[in-house]
Order: sequence, then structure tokens, then C-alpha cells
Amino acid sequence: DQQVKQNSPSLSVQEGRISILNCDYTNSMFDYFLWYKKYPAEGPTFLISISSIKDKNEDGRFTVFLNKSAKHLSLHIVPSQPGDSAVYFCAASAGAAGNKLTFGGGTRVLVKP
Amino acid sequence: DGGITQSPKYLFRKEGQNVTLSCEQNLNHDAMYWYRQDPGQGLRLIYYSQIVNDFQKGDIAEGYSVSREKKESFPLTVTSAQKNPTAFYLCASSIGARNYEQYFGPGTRLTVT
Repeated sequence: DQQVKQNSPSLSVQEGRISILNCDYTNSMFDYFLWYKKYPAEGPTFLISISSIKDKNEDGRFTVFLNKSAKHLSLHIVPSQPGDSAVYFCAASAGAAGNKLTFGGGTRVLVKP
Repeated sequence: DGGITQSPKYLFRKEGQNVTLSCEQNLNHDAMYWYRQDPGQGLRLIYYSQIVNDFQKGDIAEGYSVSREKKESFPLTVTSAQKNPTAFYLCASSIGARNYEQYFGPGTRLTVT
């Protein structure tokens, strides 16, 4: 049973426009959420995170929104750049489980020039 | 330069052989993790260690073994009991048990034929 789901396997967006990536979770114990970016044949790199006590966190071009009642979070990238083309993973952690992360299946983003 | 190193980048083995994947970090992190990624899928946790000489099974530990004799090293052995060992293996570390941000190594692609 997948506790973290990214229902869109891929996304194509024009350079300069907004990219919106979605993530849904089922475990109500999750209290911390992270987004990672991954290029082929490389390890993921941390992008941005949000605690369940917040509903928004912003870092430069990246903003993460959390809707706890809907068990849904999204990552907004604006403006999108060609270098943003990668696979993005949503991950979640439950405080009681320590620092174990549960990952979604990923969304491949292609930014067209 | 601080970081996580995994070697080798590519590894080939014959079916029935055990193989050990190396993971070293010089970030002085207490916690270390092993994940596997299969094509089109997210990362799944194999084993993790929150402190030296201690480790716990993740979601898919069967057919794998680990050791944590030194803080900076967390080798993973893929045994012949692992039914589908061909995958991309990622090692990660985090500062401690209550820190959710994990830093990843570049990965090792294991092919078993």
C-alpha cells in the first residue's frame, strides 16, 4: 500500500511558466514533508521541505504548499527553467518513526525552451 | 570536500554471488540509509542505522545485510537470497535521528545476470 503517491508520472511545461507537482499521502502520522530533485544516474538532492505546522514554505523559485485536511501537498516552480528538467520525488516522515522517509514514485518534469 | 561516496558506479555480478556495495561519508552524520530504486519507481528503504553498531530493517530488507562498525561507513551486502537484485542502489545520511533532511550519494547500478 503506497502511503505517498505522485499520480502524475510526467509533466511538460514551457520555459518561464509555472510547474506544479502534486503529492498525496494517506498516513495521518506524517508530520514533515520534503521534495527532492533527481537527475538520471545521480543521487537525489534536497530541494525544499515543510513541517505540518505550516501550510506554505518558500525558497526562491520553489514553493511548497501543504493541505493537511486533504492530505495533499504541491510544489510550485516559477519561473521554470530548462535546468529544472529532472525527476522530482515527494517524501514524508512521521515523527514517531524518527527520520525514516517514505517516498512517492516521482514525477518527471520536462521544461521546453 | 564533505559528502557521500559510493563505489563502484557500475557493478556486474553473476547470479548466486554475494556482492558488497560501499558507502562512505565524511559529513560526521550519525544516521545512514540504503535505498533501492527500480525503473519508474520511487526509492524504497532497505536498511538504516541511527548510530554506530546499530541498524534496523527497512521496508524491503529481505536478501540484504548491513554492518555499521564505523560512523563513516555503512556497507550493504546483496546476498544470493535477494530475488531481484538488479537495481540502482542509493546510500544517504542525515545528521541525526531527529533530522529529516537526508543527503544522498551518487548511487551504484548493480546488474546481476
